[in-house]
Amino acid sequence: GAGVSQSPRYKVAKRGQDVALRCDPISGHVSLFWYQQALGQGPEFLTYFQNEAQLDKSGLPSDRFFAERPEGSVSTLKIQRTQQEDSAVYLCASSLNRERPLHFGNGTRLTVT
Amino acid sequence: DAKTTQPPSMDCAEGRAANLPCNHSTISGNEYVYWYRQIHSQGPQYIIHGLKNNETNEMASLIITEDRKSSTLILPHATLRDTAVYYCTITGGGNKLTFGTGTQLKVEL
Repeated sequence: GAGVSQSPRYKVAKRGQDVALRCDPISGHVSLFWYQQALGQGPEFLTYFQNEAQLDKSGLPSDRFFAERPEGSVSTLKIQRTQQEDSAVYLCASSLNRERPLHFGNGTRLTVT
Repeated sequence: DAKTTQPPSMDCAEGRAANLPCNHSTISGNEYVYWYRQIHSQGPQYIIHGLKNNETNEMASLIITEDRKSSTLILPHATLRDTAVYYCTITGGGNKLTFGTGTQLKVEL
């Protein structure tokens, strides 16, 4: 079946622009996570949703980062006024529930120039 | 969540077993050991997880020491397609994972 889908695959933004990254999780998956992965590093947790509820946003690096999942399926990660340090791969993952392994998408590579 | 320590890189000959170690000396009783791998330009892929007992699935085996302070992921017959970064993670809070920098496994002919 279809896996986790992320779009766009690549995004180039000029510093100061706003960007929106989309995640389509596997159908029926309750849990949804966003991770940020800098070059040469492991993924770092950003935020977690259970259905439409954002239960943990402790990893969001600043108030420029905002995530939503209004209907408990598709999620959007928005970054306002992008900075160069925001350049990274943004990974979305979903799972059936909090006790099951995560299924990751292939990420969106964001480059801020 | 407990921290993990992995060697930065390992090499393995194709067809041989790849044994990837992980130290997690501060693991607590209710924390699981999870292994994921990440092939270049893809998202991480779940491999296996365990609590106390050794586990085996179609991809790999996981050996956890009796004191649970370390574990080894075994790929029994490594192929070129197993070349990837392998992450050992510990979690007790559902599946919120904390990744380190992992082990870059290079499988060679």
